[in-house]
Amino acid sequence: KNEVEQSPQNLTAQEGEFITINCSYSVGISALHWLQQHPGGGIVSLFMLSSGKKKHGRLIATINIQEKHSSLHITASHPRDSAVYICAVRLLHGGSQGNLIFGKGTKLSVKP
Amino acid sequence: DTAVSQTPKYLVTQMGNDKSIKCEQNLGHDTMYWYKQDSKKFLKIMFSYNNKELIINETVPNRFSPKSPDKAHLNLHINSLELGDSAVYFCASSQQWENTGELFFGEGSRLTVL
Repeated sequence: KNEVEQSPQNLTAQEGEFITINCSYSVGISALHWLQQHPGGGIVSLFMLSSGKKKHGRLIATINIQEKHSSLHITASHPRDSAVYICAVRLLHGGSQGNLIFGKGTKLSVKP
Repeated sequence: DTAVSQTPKYLVTQMGNDKSIKCEQNLGHDTMYWYKQDSKKFLKIMFSYNNKELIINETVPNRFSPKSPDKAHLNLHINSLELGDSAVYFCASSQQWENTGELFFGEGSRLTVL
């Protein structure tokens, strides 16, 4: 079992829909990152969270440390949101403390 | 100005060759990283450097040797290339090691070993 699990693996939505991508982890973390990888391959950091909720434009990220769970929401989705969304956690303990462990990504396709 | 730049963007080479990928960041960050993304698009940390010092070396074969001449540069040299080294290699940086803040990625270097 991966230490970082994302769901769903693939998601197709119609333009305008509200989208939720989930990330669960099984290790102690100091922070959680949400990243976006566009079809061209570039990776952009969307959020870094250690508690609560952050909002940037149409994107909202939440984290529940007790439940070891984070969600990324996209409101009023648009075809340009089509990308792979990757959750990554920063380890709190152990030999790899400070290391980032990545989920396998959620591929989002938004149809016009 | 590109914040984190990698060269080359594409690299095609034969098995057994030695190659290097260069990375530079102009953000004044203390910490730099190399990540490998395999054919299934799974990202994995290879190395982390903080102020030119190696922090993490994650079970990477010693054919891979990172070099950080100063904290703005982290180059990756690969000896005796193997087919399994084919992947996209991403360089990234963050402000500091203890409290990373946002990560900034380079555009990736696609290595194909024939």
